[in-house]
Amino acid sequence: EVQLVESGGGLVQPGRSLRLSCTASGFTFGDYVMGWVRQAPGKGLEWVGFIRSKAYGGTTDYGASVKGRFTISRDDSKTIAYLQMDSLKTEDTAVYYCTRESGWDSSGRYVGAVQHWGQGTLVTVSS
Amino acid sequence: QLVLTQSPSASASLGASVKLTCTLSSGHSTNAIAWHQQQPEKGPRYLMNLNSDGSHSRGDGIPDRFSGSSSGAERYLTISNLQSEDEAEYYCQTWANGIRVFGTGTKVTVL
Repeated sequence: EVQLVESGGGLVQPGRSLRLSCTASGFTFGDYVMGWVRQAPGKGLEWVGFIRSKAYGGTTDYGASVKGRFTISRDDSKTIAYLQMDSLKTEDTAVYYCTRESGWDSSGRYVGAVQHWGQGTLVTVSS
Repeated sequence: QLVLTQSPSASASLGASVKLTCTLSSGHSTNAIAWHQQQPEKGPRYLMNLNSDGSHSRGDGIPDRFSGSSSGAERYLTISNLQSEDEAEYYCQTWANGIRVFGTGTKVTVL
């Protein structure tokens, strides 16, 4: 069974940093794109970013609202994905979900659907 | 620009069917999408992947009351035999190289 467990959320002041962790199990972690999605209170889902597998360079992409401030990394030996959040703003307050994408299908197409979600961790940015 | 458009709300009676629509922006009408369900006070759950030809694959444990279909740039989620636990927010999601996009969500009310 695929499990994604986030940790590291909490209350942080504007301008400070916070690092979230996502501990994964139940699948070959190194083969998959891992990502983060957030949800502000009472709002919809917002894509934060993702990191490709090492086989595809381990490169990252980010949403416009976090680009340059957030960094995603991965440790395949520990099956953990990280979200480093710097220069936090009050508008970054949200539940942050760790995600795993579907991956390559039998036709050789990449399916970027979020197939698995973590339970989420709340980040509150406030003075 | 890759954008997904969803109606804010839909409703139907217990045991009836409801059909939700997700519309892809111009130039992206062949994109596959995914549907996700978020029940009140819970995290999202993956329902299915839906291709432009209407073929779809449900996630583990998703009942066949949930089905998908496509027409042009529109992607549909039909929930048959509506149950009280289907009252939730439903999001569509798509992808392209370097980007992931979510729709704004449709809130389904079971009457």
